[in-house]
Amino acid sequence: QAVVTQEPSLTVSPGGTVTLTCGSSTGAVTSGHYSYWFQQKPGQAPRTLIYDTSNKHSWTPARFSGSLLGGKAALTLSGAQPEDEAEYYCLLSYSGVGVFGGGTKLTVL
Amino acid sequence: EVKLVESGGGLVQPGGSLRLSCVVSGLTFSNYWMAWVRQAPGKGLEWEAGIKPDGSEKFYVDSVKGRFTISRDNAKNSLYLQMNSLRVEDTAVYYCVSSQGYWGQGTLVTVSS
Repeated sequence: QAVVTQEPSLTVSPGGTVTLTCGSSTGAVTSGHYSYWFQQKPGQAPRTLIYDTSNKHSWTPARFSGSLLGGKAALTLSGAQPEDEAEYYCLLSYSGVGVFGGGTKLTVL
Repeated sequence: EVKLVESGGGLVQPGGSLRLSCVVSGLTFSNYWMAWVRQAPGKGLEWEAGIKPDGSEKFYVDSVKGRFTISRDNAKNSLYLQMNSLRVEDTAVYYCVSSQGYWGQGTLVTVSS
């Protein structure tokens, strides 16, 4: 099965901008992978920030956005807040089978 | 408000079986793909199984094929995961998740002798 790759860790300054990416071992990520982005804080269940590449939920802060960038799925955080420090996971769908990336630990410092 | 409530987790011996359930409210269940996702202690998320809205097709990660069976009952707004031949490495919190990304709170499965 496919391997989904994320940056293991990233650091962003408060108020800064950072882009997390999600690559696929099978080639370019497309809209057909229906990419998802999840945020998880210690001791909590994951929550969905982005689904189907760029769609937000009502609870998704406006500073988060999803896109396709350079053959990868991307999650951009513009104006980072201390509460954004968390683990972020992407999920890609391969004809019905989901594969998670290994997660990116985002530090706001 | 959308709610997904899992149940059925617990302690089971290696080789044993468990059946997880997830009851969904607040959305039209029969319109949504559903999946089971697990997270072993201290580890990342792992997608295990998925099912189409009408239940006509089911999908599994290789590590659970032949051991786990996903199913749904749209009349009961419920999703299930039958887990057989459980292994120590199946120990995890199991979450049910809908398309568009609604999550339950998870149910803990511990496989240990």
